[in-house]
Amino acid sequence: GESVGLHLPTLSVQEGDNSIINCAYSNSASDYFIWYKQESGKGPQFIIDIRSNMDKRQGQRVTVLLNKTVKHLSLQIAATQPGDSAVYFCAGGIGDGGYNKLIFGAGTRLAVHP
Amino acid sequence: DTEVTQTPKHLVMGMTNKKSLKCEQHMGHRAMYWYKQKAKKPPELMFVYSYEKLSINESVPSRFSPECPNSSLLNLHLHALQPEDSALYLCASSQLLAGANEQFFGPGTRLTVL
Repeated sequence: GESVGLHLPTLSVQEGDNSIINCAYSNSASDYFIWYKQESGKGPQFIIDIRSNMDKRQGQRVTVLLNKTVKHLSLQIAATQPGDSAVYFCAGGIGDGGYNKLIFGAGTRLAVHP
Repeated sequence: DTEVTQTPKHLVMGMTNKKSLKCEQHMGHRAMYWYKQKAKKPPELMFVYSYEKLSINESVPSRFSPECPNSSLLNLHLHALQPEDSALYLCASSQLLAGANEQFFGPGTRLTVL
């Protein structure tokens, strides 16, 4: 069945370092993948997405890599800041042009230390 | 306006009560979603509305009754809930447009069932 999972439940980094959050998925039916950030007491916030026919996409301080061969997704955050502390979810999405069905992974908590 | 609003922020109810959660967006999105999120878990899809019609019901118990009265509003009517239904209920919306995969989430309603 569809599932999206994460390798590490928590990640601690020093401020200024680069962070890498990993995600594995088991079903190849996803049309795209999205990374969301969720801070305490808030709803998930969109970070970046990547279509399944791409292998890399860059945003502001973030890069998402997709390796379809091993069904692996990663989010790289450059120069991590205290404000990046949150839980990060990857989600596989199905549907394009209509409603989107997202299946979320378990989440990784990123803790940034000064 | 790029915001999804949800009311109330917190709700405490007994198992015999009837209550409603409300969600509103003014981004012109024609897809709206309800998710349930337990503590330290990822959001789980409950319902999807597309053009104000129910498109997906993820086998949700009938004590949860969604309603989409117009393109900006989404309600979730609650009746005879169980303590295990206590969770954060998230509303989201998205465009119905190819390539527009992002779902915009509200801050959620934290529900406690006594």
